[in-house]
Amino acid sequence: AQSVAQPEDQVNVAEGNPLTVKCTYSVSGNPYLFWYVQYPNRGLQFLLKYITGDNLVKGSYGFEAEFNKSQTSFHLKKPSALVSDSALYFCAVRRFSGGYNKLIFGAGTRLAVHP
Amino acid sequence: DVKVTQSSRYLVKRTGEKVFLECVQDMDHENMFWYRQDPGLGLRLIYFSYDVKMKEKGDIPEGYSVSREKKERFSLILESASTNQTSMYLCASRASWETQYFGPGTRLLVL
Repeated sequence: AQSVAQPEDQVNVAEGNPLTVKCTYSVSGNPYLFWYVQYPNRGLQFLLKYITGDNLVKGSYGFEAEFNKSQTSFHLKKPSALVSDSALYFCAVRRFSGGYNKLIFGAGTRLAVHP
Repeated sequence: DVKVTQSSRYLVKRTGEKVFLECVQDMDHENMFWYRQDPGLGLRLIYFSYDVKMKEKGDIPEGYSVSREKKERFSLILESASTNQTSMYLCASRASWETQYFGPGTRLLVL
């Protein structure tokens, strides 16, 4: 069964330092992977996706993610964190069942960037 | 920009009440979704709709129903609210399967 795991409930980073938010997946076939971000009191916003092609995917707000097939991972990264990056981040994988495409979300990782 | 709006940001209801959560999107998307978000559980799919008057159960449909009479509007109904339905409810829409656009969410408290 398709699933996605975010092993860290919270990640703490100092402003200016690189950040990584981890995601691992389990799918049959080729994975279609996504990252979404939720700022306080807001809905989720799409950050980036991996469908095929280059393993390094660039997205919004300077974020990027690296697809690693051998490690079944899709970690979110940013070279230099900003305080404004503090938010809840969700990894998601496409699941095809019952003739429909749906998204399966991880539990979320709270990123706290300290000044 | 795609806009997905939800009728209420905060709702307080009593156990046994019938609750309606409304969602409207302005981009003529065919696909619409209702999720609930709970700490440590992420987002879980309640119901979705791929067309007007069409609905499909998601992963946790029990205690919920939906209505989609018009393409732009997708309503979530709690027939008889219970305390375990206290949660954040998120509506989403999409034109294709790749990217979903989310509303701001409705935080529901059932007393």
